[in-house]
Amino acid sequence: AQTVTQSQPEMSVQEAETVTLSCTYDTSENNYYLFWYKQPPSRQMILVIRQEAYKQQNATENRFSVNFQKAAKSFSLKISDSQLGDTAMYFCAFMDNFGNEKLTFGTGTRLTIIP
Amino acid sequence: DAGVTQSPTHLIKTRGQHVTLRCSPISGHKSVSWYQQVLGQGPQFIFQYYEKEERGRGNFPDRFSARQFPNYSSELNVNALLLGDSALYLCASSFPTGDTEAFFGQGTRLTVV
Repeated sequence: AQTVTQSQPEMSVQEAETVTLSCTYDTSENNYYLFWYKQPPSRQMILVIRQEAYKQQNATENRFSVNFQKAAKSFSLKISDSQLGDTAMYFCAFMDNFGNEKLTFGTGTRLTIIP
Repeated sequence: DAGVTQSPTHLIKTRGQHVTLRCSPISGHKSVSWYQQVLGQGPQFIFQYYEKEERGRGNFPDRFSARQFPNYSSELNVNALLLGDSALYLCASSFPTGDTEAFFGQGTRLTVV
């Protein structure tokens, strides 16, 4: 079974600074997908960024980028120029390539952006 | 366009009762998944339905069941509620044909007393 580990329960950073959230996972599969989801106090999970394991290039979405190290099974999220609206829980998630669309989530990192 | 809608938003039930949670996917989405998120933890996969058929089931007891209707909306049923069933229940929908992006609703907060 796949597992996802987020070792940073809480983090805080000053507004406009850069912060990196860590995630490691365990799988025996070669093809899979990795995600970072954001969950603000409104509770709705919002997709931040997605990475296909077969792609060597790291995904980027505006201020959000990932460092995907397949051999190390590491998938960190970097948020640049952090904004107050980035304050939320962030979850790393894994999906296999078997078509059942099951997401396996980590325990989350609570990120606080300090004005 | 409306996103994924879930009802009710909050619910209080007594131990031993039964509960039904509802989810309407985004228009055009045929896949619906259910997750349980206990306070302080990440969501746990319960079920996935596609075209009214169960495609995946997580490690949950038989007290949990679900179904999907012809209009692709879905219900999650939980029988014989336990205190430990108190959680946020999230529904996610996605477009088929391999698109992996799941869109989540705002969840139903279930409290069992």
